[in-house]
Amino acid sequence: AQKVTQAQTEISVVEKEDVTLDCVYETRDTTYYLFWYKQPPSGELVFLIRRNSFDEQNEISGRYSWNFQKSTSSFNFTITASQVVDSAVYFCALSGVRTSGSRLTFGEGTQLTVNP
Amino acid sequence: KAGVTQTPRYLIKTRGQQVTLSCSPISGHRSVSWYQQTPGQGLQFLFEYFSETQRNKGNFPGRFSGRQFSNSRSEMNVSTLELGDSALYLCASSKRTDRVTEAFFGQGTRLTVV
Repeated sequence: AQKVTQAQTEISVVEKEDVTLDCVYETRDTTYYLFWYKQPPSGELVFLIRRNSFDEQNEISGRYSWNFQKSTSSFNFTITASQVVDSAVYFCALSGVRTSGSRLTFGEGTQLTVNP
Repeated sequence: KAGVTQTPRYLIKTRGQQVTLSCSPISGHRSVSWYQQTPGQGLQFLFEYFSETQRNKGNFPGRFSGRQFSNSRSEMNVSTLELGDSALYLCASSKRTDRVTEAFFGQGTRLTVV
């Protein structure tokens, strides 16, 4: 079975603070993909990043960065210098090639509130 | 290019009725997956269609069904609605079915059952 855990239900920060959203996953697959999505109040899930299990290189995209560590089964997401527009629910998701194919298993989500 | 389009955006139905939701994927994408999002259960996979065939199915009762047309557009149907079916239903569009390398979501249909 696959599982994604986002232990932080809610995080509240003040604008310009850095914030890290945690994601821990479980899978028996050796080939799998990890994702982060952002869900603003409008409801749409906005794709942020995909990582495959063979690429542990960390990635930075503007104010966003991701830290993938297979040794601890974690795929954490950091927002640097947060802004009010970053307020949303963030989901981490997993897809194991052998066990789930096209199915995404989502974590419970982290509600991020950035206050001015 | 156009994103994933879901219609309608909002829907109110009465217990016992049935409902049909529609999803048009991104042009060139042949896989359409459906997810149910509720406060209590989070995001749960319903089913996936690829080339008009159901390829994958989640743990939902038979009241939940779907289909895909030759133009890749998909519909999902819920019969004999229950209060617990109130949820945001999200559709995801992908190019392939054997693995998810990218999945783009629509804005969802918010269904309220009264």
